[in-house]
Amino acid sequence: GESVGLHLPTLSVQEGDNSIINCAYSNSASDYFIWYKQESGKGPQFIIDIRSNMDKRQGQRVTVLLNKTVKHLSLQIAATQPGDSAVYFCAENRNSGGSNYKLTFGKGTLLTVNP
Amino acid sequence: NAGVMQNPRHLVRRRGQEARLRCSPMKGHSHVYWYRQLPEEGLKFMVYLQKENIIDESGMPKERFSAEFPKEGPSILRIQQVVRGDSAAYFCASSPTAGTSGKEQFFGPGTRLTVL
Repeated sequence: GESVGLHLPTLSVQEGDNSIINCAYSNSASDYFIWYKQESGKGPQFIIDIRSNMDKRQGQRVTVLLNKTVKHLSLQIAATQPGDSAVYFCAENRNSGGSNYKLTFGKGTLLTVNP
Repeated sequence: NAGVMQNPRHLVRRRGQEARLRCSPMKGHSHVYWYRQLPEEGLKFMVYLQKENIIDESGMPKERFSAEFPKEGPSILRIQQVVRGDSAAYFCASSPTAGTSGKEQFFGPGTRLTVL
């Protein structure tokens, strides 16, 4: 079955608040994770990634946290803006037998930012 | 530098017809990946191609689906004798080098296939 899944299908926040989107994975061999943003009618857009030898990585207004003990991944968005409204996917990239191109996506969380 | 192009953006077919989806990778990219997204689902890997070669088709249904990436022209995902369950968004991604990590796959806008 799916090795990557999301806890909540929807998340609604007020503009300016911080958002936290969670993701669980089941395969302890997973070594690379990516967060994507997908706006309506568009393809996934890379946000941030993290390798399994790290537990935290920061980008512009975004932070990804990885807890390998409980196989949990989160995306934190600071000062959420209306333009952040989208579906957010975590994806796993398992470097297995050289097939490190194959992305496995979770189901996605719809983030709605209220003005 | 234009991104990954896909056409058509929307495609409507009746059961039993053929669907042909096209993907033009980013300039300089010779590696193409196709993914399928069912409603309210994440993307599922289908196939990975390089010019004139299918590298990994482990995600392709065994029947009715085929993909190619010719020396000249776009990559084509072909679905024969479509059924309602084929209705989905089909995304293409491209990368500049082989077996690259996820962050180096750039996605197109997708083709939304509706089978009546």
